Amino acid sequence: AQKVTQAQTEISVVEKEDVTLDCVYETRDTTYYLFWYKQPPSGELVFLIRRNSFDEQNEISGRYSWNFQKSTSSFNFTITASQVVDSAVYFCALSEATGGATNKLIFGTGTLLAVQP
Amino acid sequence: SQTIHQWPATLVQPVGSPLSLECTVEGTSNPNLYWYRQAAGRGLQLLFYSVGIGQISSEVPQNLSASRPQDRQFILSSKKLLLSDSGFYLCAWSRVLGSGNTIYFGEGSWLTVV
Repeated sequence: AQKVTQAQTEISVVEKEDVTLDCVYETRDTTYYLFWYKQPPSGELVFLIRRNSFDEQNEISGRYSWNFQKSTSSFNFTITASQVVDSAVYFCALSEATGGATNKLIFGTGTLLAVQP
Repeated sequence: SQTIHQWPATLVQPVGSPLSLECTVEGTSNPNLYWYRQAAGRGLQLLFYSVGIGQISSEVPQNLSASRPQDRQFILSSKKLLLSDSGFYLCAWSRVLGSGNTIYFGEGSWLTVV
């Protein structure tokens, strides 16, 4: 069965520190998709990134970077030089190709990141 | 560009009262539509999804129902609310063709049942 584990419930850092949010997934599919979403205090889920299982290239977008390692079933998210505006709950999610048109997401339980000034 | 809106943003309802949350998507046609609930503790649970008008699939047995009267309109309803229905409800959409499409979420609706 598919599952997403975010073992870090809460992380607190001081502004300008780097922080890595861990995500470990389980799936029997060879084709699958991984996502990260950000949920600020306002509540809306903001899409950050989507990766498919055939693309293990790491990705960098500004201060954000993602490390996808199929060998360890992990898709970790790093924020460099964190800022107070990065404070939010971050969710990792998995979608399997066998889900077909429904594109259902399986979410982890989220990691609350608090960036202190 | 595509946008998704849901309303109301916040509501407080007594136990036993009805519920109607509405969601509309603009800028795309024939999307997949979803209702998620986020209870205390942050977990996100898929409640319903729809791949077309009048087509509703329920993921978990519950006191709620969903309808899709128009292509880009998705409604979450209840005839009689329970205390356990309290939570944060999120409507979402994705494209139909292909798999693993990104799901985009609305602003959410906070429901408190008292």
